[in-house]
Amino acid sequence: DIQMTQSPSTLSASVGDRVTITCRASQSISSWLAWYQQKPGKAPKLLIYKASSLESGVPSRFSGSGSGTEFTLTISSLQPDDFATYYCQQYNSYSPTFGPGTKVDIK
Amino acid sequence: EVQLVESGGGLVQPGRSLRLSCAASGFTFDDYAMHWVRQAPGKGLEWVSGISWNSGSIGYADSVKGRFTISRDNAKNSLYLQMNSLRAEDTALYYCAKVSLYRSIRGWFDPWGQGTLVTVSS
Repeated sequence: DIQMTQSPSTLSASVGDRVTITCRASQSISSWLAWYQQKPGKAPKLLIYKASSLESGVPSRFSGSGSGTEFTLTISSLQPDDFATYYCQQYNSYSPTFGPGTKVDIK
Repeated sequence: EVQLVESGGGLVQPGRSLRLSCAASGFTFDDYAMHWVRQAPGKGLEWVSGISWNSGSIGYADSVKGRFTISRDNAKNSLYLQMNSLRAEDTALYYCAKVSLYRSIRGWFDPWGQGTLVTVSS
């Protein structure tokens, strides 16, 4: 199975900060990576697919990049609504796997 | 509007069985693969199982292989997860999720249901 790691596990930031989360795959997954946002008590919400494609309706302050084994999710200017946990997911294989998550909280 | 609604969760004793359902609406159900993902309390997301649009391709996480069975009824726009020999570590919120790509078992998940809680405890 393809293992996914994320760093950092927790990130403390302020409104207006630029935030970057890194996701790494244990083997190449091309661009078959998605990013999700999850708030407490809610289902995950798709943000980015195919590593860098922004889901319709998602604010343009979110962006994704990378290919192969290293990927990043960037929030260009953190807003109050963005405090949440973020997960990456590979779907290169028939057994998709998620990263352990990165919690973005208020500094 | 695409909607997924899970049901069937509850409190069950270790070793017993439970069947989860996911009712889908707002899209052509038999054109899309579906998956189950779970989240233990306070933990991250864990993929459980997936099934292709025509049930021809099925996969399971190692943690549930041999105990859980995924199935679908395209005539009823429904997805199921039969869970046998339940263990305490199966306690989680179980989400169903739709694969976005047409007739592909692989792909990103969108949308997700709101989840149904399974608690395994004596």
